[in-house]
Amino acid sequence: DADVTQTPRNRITKTGKRIMLECSQTKGHDRMYWYRQDPGLGLQLIYYSFDVKDINKGEISDGYSVSRQAQAKFSLSLESAIPNQTALYFCATSDGGKGGKKTQYFGPGTRLLVL
Amino acid sequence: AQTVTQSQPEMSVQEAETVTLSCTYDTSESDYYLFWYKQPPSRQMILVIRQEAYKQQNATENRFSVNFQKAAKSFSLKISDSQLGDAAMYFCAYNRRGNNDMRFGAGTRLTVKP
Repeated sequence: DADVTQTPRNRITKTGKRIMLECSQTKGHDRMYWYRQDPGLGLQLIYYSFDVKDINKGEISDGYSVSRQAQAKFSLSLESAIPNQTALYFCATSDGGKGGKKTQYFGPGTRLLVL
Repeated sequence: AQTVTQSQPEMSVQEAETVTLSCTYDTSESDYYLFWYKQPPSRQMILVIRQEAYKQQNATENRFSVNFQKAAKSFSLKISDSQLGDAAMYFCAYNRRGNNDMRFGAGTRLTVKP
């Protein structure tokens, strides 16, 4: 079984719709992240969470919100989707505690198309 | 702000040959981590290799090794005995110790020719 899962894997939506992308992990990590990947660009950080009560904005948080429902679950919402949010979205986790190796482990990605 | 630059948008290598992918980064920090991730057509981001800045010894993972030049802020990836399965996008990434804002380069697309 995959350690980091994302649902859905692919999604087509219309401008103005609200959508939610979900991420679950079984690695037992306390830190979770949402990234966006556009063609020809590296990943850009949207939001990250150190634990259930700690949410932080990344580079490009405008137009997005997140919810950390449990240590293992971190969801990303687009309140009113727009076409330039068409991208590949990745969830990642890491062990951030003392001795944590800072390595981030990624889910399989969600390809989102906003029409 | 930390930035990561991969100056080679595309590279190609003959199967069984060696290829080196370049990465430079900009930081004023002395303690940080560097990574190479591979993204095959499946889209999965797969960790290839990791380097801690305080370690002078270059990291090695089987056919993958790095040339870490801290003073030059350079972190290149060498793939030896290239295989068809190595074909992918490769991303260099930087993460300062105590910070969770990982910065990625734009990627290098590696093609392996049979």
